[in-house]
Amino acid sequence: SQTIHQWPATLVQPVGSPLSLECTVEGTSNPNLYWYRQAAGRGLQLLFYSVGIGQISSEVPQNLSASRPQDRQFILSSKKLLLSDSGFYLCAWSSVQANSPQHFGDGTRLSIL
Amino acid sequence: AQTVTQSQPEMSVQEAETVTLSCTYDTSESDYYLFWYKQPPSRQMILVIRQEAYKQQNATENRFSVNFQKAAKSFSLKISDSQLGDAAMYFCAYQDDKIIFGKGTRLHILP
Repeated sequence: SQTIHQWPATLVQPVGSPLSLECTVEGTSNPNLYWYRQAAGRGLQLLFYSVGIGQISSEVPQNLSASRPQDRQFILSSKKLLLSDSGFYLCAWSSVQANSPQHFGDGTRLSIL
Repeated sequence: AQTVTQSQPEMSVQEAETVTLSCTYDTSESDYYLFWYKQPPSRQMILVIRQEAYKQQNATENRFSVNFQKAAKSFSLKISDSQLGDAAMYFCAYQDDKIIFGKGTRLHILP
């Protein structure tokens, strides 16, 4: 069966520090991969999605970036974190079939001090 | 652009009772999918139920069912025999080539 792993679960970082959140999927090949952010009391905001290695689409311009160095690995990064980057980050995957449901990781709670 | 609206930020229901969560959406597409996701306090998002727009029959999954009204662009979730474990944020989502989430409804279960 397919599983998705996301880490770390919680992270506290100072303003201006770098960020790297990692997400890996097991049990499937060539998944579509997604990064979402959920601000406190708000819905999910799609940040990035990827349909293949090295193929990244950005939905919202900001100081975050994403990379997909391997088929089942998706990384969310920042060179310099802002206070506004605080939130709950979720990675998700779906199969390449159109309109297949997304399956989410456990999320990372990021607090910027 | 497609939008998803959940007009109820919070709802409460007595344990064992039935509750309906509302969701409306806007699209000019005719072929799409609709989902309800559940996010319990543990924060993990879980797929609850899925509806294909071309199917007239409402989807059901055990105690969860939907009332899909395509013409009205409405997709409500009914939870029967509510249980304490149903307490969570519930997100409605629309998907054609991208997925769009509503802002969520927080459901409280009263013992």
